Amino acid sequence: EPEVTQTPSHQVTQMGQEVILRCVPISNHLYFYWYRQILGQKVEFLVSFYNNEISEKSEIFDDQFSVERPDGSNFTLKIRSTKLEDSAMYFCASKGAGTNYGYTFGSGTRLTVV
Amino acid sequence: GNSVTQMEGPVTLSEEAFLTINCTYTATGYPSLFWYVQYPGEGLQLLLKATKADDKGSNKGFEATYRKETTSFHLEKGSVQVSDSAVYFCALRASTGTASKLTFGTGTRLQVTL
Repeated sequence: EPEVTQTPSHQVTQMGQEVILRCVPISNHLYFYWYRQILGQKVEFLVSFYNNEISEKSEIFDDQFSVERPDGSNFTLKIRSTKLEDSAMYFCASKGAGTNYGYTFGSGTRLTVV
Repeated sequence: GNSVTQMEGPVTLSEEAFLTINCTYTATGYPSLFWYVQYPGEGLQLLLKATKADDKGSNKGFEATYRKETTSFHLEKGSVQVSDSAVYFCALRASTGTASKLTFGTGTRLQVTL
């Protein structure tokens, strides 16, 4: 069964550093998403991406965040200058067109900012 | 805005016990409702869904019925197994589009013992 692959599974970074979280969505999917879950809290929507542009973003997704689909296969989330409160599990998801397609999630990247 | 409220965990049950995990939602219109499951070290997997009132989603012995009058989508299973131990997330998708973001609850950890 096709999978969404996320790398790395765990990343530790120093406050103020830039991080890039990587995702390889399912190849024929058209919609891409990032979510995050701070430990013990809800899974929160960050951003959705379609047709090479952001289609929706949440209040969390401020100027420190950006997304890119650089080569037609990878989908990346960049945090420019990490803060302690960015520590969370980040999930990538993709979805095909049409109502019969569900959302497929990756296994997540645990980001720890120290 | 849209929101999902789940019962807090962890829920600990003996094998073959009956499971209920409560989920209620707040949304305008007619959202679609989902249950996702996360096994240790894995991504979020779709367990079941319902797209309109009174629909019953079912999969792997789990069931949930979309109750618009009580704005609920409680997850049930008649006889749990140790292999059902996981975190269960209730989620909704607004009625604005089939590729809209998901809004999640906090997740409920289920532990099943022999």
